[in-house]
This record gives sequence, C-alpha cells and structure tokens, in this order.
Amino acid sequence: DVKVTQSSRYLVKRTGEKVFLECVQDMDHENMFWYRQDPGLGLRLIYFSYDVKMKEKGDIPEGYSVSREKKERFSLILESASTNQTSMYLCASSLGTNINEAFFGQGTRLTVV
Amino acid sequence: AQSVAQPEDQVNVAEGNPLTVKCTYSVSGNPYLFWYVQYPNRGLQFLLKYITGDNLVKGSYGFEAEFNKSQTSFHLKKPSALVSDSALYFCAVRELNQGGKLIFGQGTELSVKP
Repeated sequence: DVKVTQSSRYLVKRTGEKVFLECVQDMDHENMFWYRQDPGLGLRLIYFSYDVKMKEKGDIPEGYSVSREKKERFSLILESASTNQTSMYLCASSLGTNINEAFFGQGTRLTVV
Repeated sequence: AQSVAQPEDQVNVAEGNPLTVKCTYSVSGNPYLFWYVQYPNRGLQFLLKYITGDNLVKGSYGFEAEFNKSQTSFHLKKPSALVSDSALYFCAVRELNQGGKLIFGQGTELSVKP
C-alpha cells in the first residue's frame, strides 16, 4: 500500500514563527501536493511538484514556500506564521501521468496563536 | 481555468435509499475526474475515477459515478445507502498538461440516518 506520512498530526505555533510541515511518500511517486482544508472551502491547492527541485504554485501560494530536494519528501514552509494560516494541511502524492489518483496523508492540524 | 463545483453542502438520506452527490466541472479539454471520501479525523481516500470510455464507472464500497459530457457533470451514486457511508465527499478534476493541478470541489457532507 502507498503510504504518505506527515510528520505531525497536531502543531501549535506562535505568530511570526517559521513553520515546517514535512511529508514523505514511499512509492516513488513523481507528483506531490500540498493542500489546506477549511470548512466550506474544501481543499485548496497551495503548491505542487512534479519532479525533484520542481515546483508550481497552486491557487493560494501567498505566505507559503516549498522544498523538494529528494523525490520522496515534500516540505511546506510558512515563512512567518499568521493566525489566518490556522488550518488542516494535507499532503498527497501520485504517479506522474494525470490519470493516476492521488494518495493522501492523515493531515496536520496547525494552530497559530 | 479548471474548476469543480459541488452545489450541495449537505445531503441527507435514509438508510436503504439511493443516494446522489452532485458534481459539475469546467475544463478546457477532456477531463480526468475523481471522487474521494473523508471519514472523521482521517485523510482522503480514493473512491473512483473517470478517464475515458464507459460513462458509468464503478468504485469502492459499492459507489459508482456517471460522467455526462453535455452537462459537464460527474455525479456520485449508490443504489442503497448505509449509515457507515456518512462522511465528507469531494469531487476533483485534473488538467491534461504534465504535472497538472488536481483541483477539488468544496465538499458535500453526506448524512445517512437509520
């Protein structure tokens, strides 16, 4: 089975902190994604990556950056956390062609205080 | 730009009755369409997908979905709902270009009552 692992289930950070959310997949998938999930807004794409060191902005990239130095790992970085970044963050991965479904991690519930 | 709409925030169904969760999409070319389910405090799980071919696709847990190109819809269906089907359902569409975005709708909360 594909496994997508997010490093933390729950995080509490202070406003202004730099926050790292880590995601690792074990199936050699080319594509990796970061979403945030908010009630009534569904899943919104922050960034995605289709290869090592490659990244593309999603629909809401402001305030975030990403890093993909190795194929299996995709990190989401909040440069200076703000309270409006309190959310559930979901990581996903998929094989390279667009017909393939994505597999999701369990999510990280981030609270910024 | 591609987009997905789920017009109903919530769907309520009695156990044993058929259920439908609606989804419409907008893309510039041929779509790749997906349904996912999220149980409480869990990540998203893949249910089924439409790539090409037969307009009726079957997936996990007895779910199926009907692709309708003229109505740009991809509604999720099940002939007989179970209480355990109660969850949050998401429709998603993918662009055709390499490494394309996977875009989700806002989700529909399905509640199945005994």
